[in-house]
Amino acid sequence: DVKVTQSSRYLVKRTGEKVFLECVQDMDHENMFWYRQDPGLGLRLIYFSYDVKMKEKGDIPEGYSVSREKKERFSLILESASTNQTSMYLCATVGGLTGVYGYTFGSGTRLTVV
Amino acid sequence: QKEVEQDPGPLSVPEGAIVSLNCTYSNSAFQYFMWYRQYSRKGPELLMYTYSSGNKEDGRFTAQVDKSSKYISLFIRDSQPSDSATYLCAMSASGNQFYFGTGTSLTVIP
Repeated sequence: DVKVTQSSRYLVKRTGEKVFLECVQDMDHENMFWYRQDPGLGLRLIYFSYDVKMKEKGDIPEGYSVSREKKERFSLILESASTNQTSMYLCATVGGLTGVYGYTFGSGTRLTVV
Repeated sequence: QKEVEQDPGPLSVPEGAIVSLNCTYSNSAFQYFMWYRQYSRKGPELLMYTYSSGNKEDGRFTAQVDKSSKYISLFIRDSQPSDSATYLCAMSASGNQFYFGTGTSLTVIP
């Protein structure tokens, strides 16, 4: 089974801090995604990547950036954390022939910005 | 209009009831349809997968897709307290990027 590991389950950061959320997959999946999940709003796509060093903006990229230097790792960066970025962040992967079976998600990082 | 619409609930049913969860969508190109289950404070996990139209059954779970009506359903028979979770529908045209409903919160009361 594909495993998607997010480095932190819970994070508390201060307003203005630069925050790094890490996601690592143990399969050779091309496609990786970052979502945030908020009550009543569902999953909203922040950024995605189809290959190393490639990135595409999703629906809500403002205030975020990403980095994909290696195929297995996709990092989400909050340049200057704000309280409205308090949320559950989910990393997901899909790739190759398994793409038709949908995403595999990490366990999520619950970020609180104070 | 959102790509995918899902009634958020919450839905509360007694143990043993049949549960029906539904989503509608607007993009006729969607051909991959998924249902995810998400327990509190966890990431979503894939529950059911259907390609194109038709039904798929897996134990107590049945997924239905009606592409002509742009409507998908998940049925849970003999619901159990362990089924209490949020259920997310997701769909895709290519299999590479999925669009999600907002999720339906289900509670099964013992």
